[in-house]
Amino acid sequence: DAGVTQSPTHLIKTRGQQVTLRCSPKSGHDTVSWYQQALGQGPQFIFQYYEEEERQRGNFPDRFSGHQFPNYSSELNVNALLLGDSALYLCASSLEQGGVKVTQYFGPGTRLLVL
Amino acid sequence: EDQVTQSPEALRLQEGESSSLNCSYTVSGLRGLFWYRQDPGKGPEFLFTLYSAGEEKEKERLKATLTKKESFLHITAPKPEDSATYLCAVRPSYNTDKLIFGTGTRLQVFP
Repeated sequence: DAGVTQSPTHLIKTRGQQVTLRCSPKSGHDTVSWYQQALGQGPQFIFQYYEEEERQRGNFPDRFSGHQFPNYSSELNVNALLLGDSALYLCASSLEQGGVKVTQYFGPGTRLLVL
Repeated sequence: EDQVTQSPEALRLQEGESSSLNCSYTVSGLRGLFWYRQDPGKGPEFLFTLYSAGEEKEKERLKATLTKKESFLHITAPKPEDSATYLCAVRPSYNTDKLIFGTGTRLQVFP
């Protein structure tokens, strides 16, 4: 049973650039959530995608955007990168059952460094 | 405001020395409390979900319990391979999807 996969594993960018991160959900899951985890902190919710639409969004600027494809995979895009965007970006997948998202399973993350 | 607080921030144990990690939460309601384990540079690994006060879950040397205000993760006779950061998260009742995480407890178990 394939778990959540993310690519790339590591990425180095400079300020002002744009980045795209990718996620494939766990087999059978239809919902993808993205989180940002700064060093020494807990993950912070960015947004969630279901049925190819953004269903919910955390307290992040609209420099952060995303997309979900028909096969349920997802992308996270960040424009105009700032030094403070350096973090581990986590993708989590879940399955909606009866209108409720059950347990979220996380991928290994993408480590982004902005110089 | 919804909030999750974990204590202690760091914990050093001798192998075999049992202890407990605490997760206290303030939310308008609760639709699930989650424990995850995270190794350095890796994604969180799911451990347990608890839904109601009095509920308990066990897995190997770990046991999670839940009250109306807090959850405990009890570690019995830990081994060095239990060394990791343990994260607690809640799903508030008004929000079906978003998880709110604490900052974690970094556990080190020495042989």
